[in-house]
Amino acid sequence: GAGVSQSPSNKVTEKGKDVELRCDPISGHTALYWYRQRLGQGLEFLIYFQGNSAPDKSGLPSDRFSAERTGESVSTLTIQRTQQEDSAVYLCASSLGRVGEQFFGPGTRLTVL
Amino acid sequence: EDQVTQSPEALRLQEGESSSLNCSYTVSGLRGLFWYRQDPGKGPEFLFTLYSAGEEKEKERLKATLTKKESFLHITAPKPEDSATYLCAVPFQQGAQKLVFGQGTRLTINP
Repeated sequence: GAGVSQSPSNKVTEKGKDVELRCDPISGHTALYWYRQRLGQGLEFLIYFQGNSAPDKSGLPSDRFSAERTGESVSTLTIQRTQQEDSAVYLCASSLGRVGEQFFGPGTRLTVL
Repeated sequence: EDQVTQSPEALRLQEGESSSLNCSYTVSGLRGLFWYRQDPGKGPEFLFTLYSAGEEKEKERLKATLTKKESFLHITAPKPEDSATYLCAVPFQQGAQKLVFGQGTRLTINP
């Protein structure tokens, strides 16, 4: 079966531009997570969606970051007015609701020049 | 503050040379500890869940164990294909649906 997919796989943008990253979770997975991984670092939690509940946005680093999810399907992470420190790999994961058993996508590598 | 610390940061072994990776945590009321494997350029892949001290889980050459303060990932007679970064994670103390990850141990197995 299909796993979690993310697009684009790579994105190079100029400082100050907006970017939109997409995540397609595994069908039937009610929970969806976004993480950021800087080079050589662990994963940093950004936001969590569970069904129709209000998302947990407590990990978003600034108001330039936002995310949406349509029902239990596609999610988009938007970064406005990108900065060089936003350069990282952005990973999406989905699960059936068990917090630790998450299935990750391949990530989007974002480079802000 | 919830903390997860992994050691060593990097480990090089010869094929067949067994060793252990460490994950220590400071979360009270642990609601599970999770091990993942991450290959370069890919997202992490779930390996194990451990819930209580004394619990052990095995998969091929890997065995994960848990105490009240730390977890070990033992690798027995490793092969080059075991080379990867191994991450451990625990749920946030408040908001158990979020994970806090350690920095990972980068394991290299030389043939």
